[in-house]
Amino acid sequence: QSVLTQPPSVSAAPGQKVTISCSGSSSNIGSNYVSWYQQLPGTAPKLLIYENNKRPSGIPDRFSGSKSGTSATLGITGLQTGDEADYYCGTWDSKALVFGGGTKLTVL
Amino acid sequence: EVQLVESGGGLVQPGGSLRLSCAASGFTFKNYAMSWVRQAPGKGLEWLSTISGSGSGINYADFVKGRFTFSRDNSKNTLFLQMNSLRAEDTAVYYCAKVRVTYYEELDYWGQGTLVTVSS
Repeated sequence: QSVLTQPPSVSAAPGQKVTISCSGSSSNIGSNYVSWYQQLPGTAPKLLIYENNKRPSGIPDRFSGSKSGTSATLGITGLQTGDEADYYCGTWDSKALVFGGGTKLTVL
Repeated sequence: EVQLVESGGGLVQPGGSLRLSCAASGFTFKNYAMSWVRQAPGKGLEWLSTISGSGSGINYADFVKGRFTFSRDNSKNTLFLQMNSLRAEDTAVYYCAKVRVTYYEELDYWGQGTLVTVSS
């Protein structure tokens, strides 16, 4: 049982937009920055979004993040088949780094 | 270019021990906190620990306290994870990761991971 709650899976067609939610509480998302990680099949996780809505160098602006209260959302526009991956949200909670259970994105 | 390379994984019997290493390059290692995260087969990410740049500050996940020990050697740009009393449920890919700037922040670079299998 993960501290942060994500939907197990989402799907959309190429070129479409998808959002992935991440729900937490006042002790984690409510009081700390949220980050998002992309894990392509068979590879290590990669930082996609940090400090709720900032993109590291090299991450296309098709990826966006937002936070409101105790929830956060990852948005991906212009979906590509190469976006098929597991996506994890993460934040700190009482000096422990916590992750969501992960969401598998399928690009139909 | 930041590189993190884990090593030391393998097959170990229940109750056994293993020491993982993570060799870092491409950044000033001593200036950054580092973390260990694991991922059981088919499961999600699970944080284990974060250690400060100097090594003087360490946070552990509750479930590893007393069994796992985290350390670093800044003279060798290497991070260590000593795992004792291993159980089947410790079977996972173990990743080391660099903290982006300060201690309680996101992980901006990850190693490729090393697989630990606990089985008789």
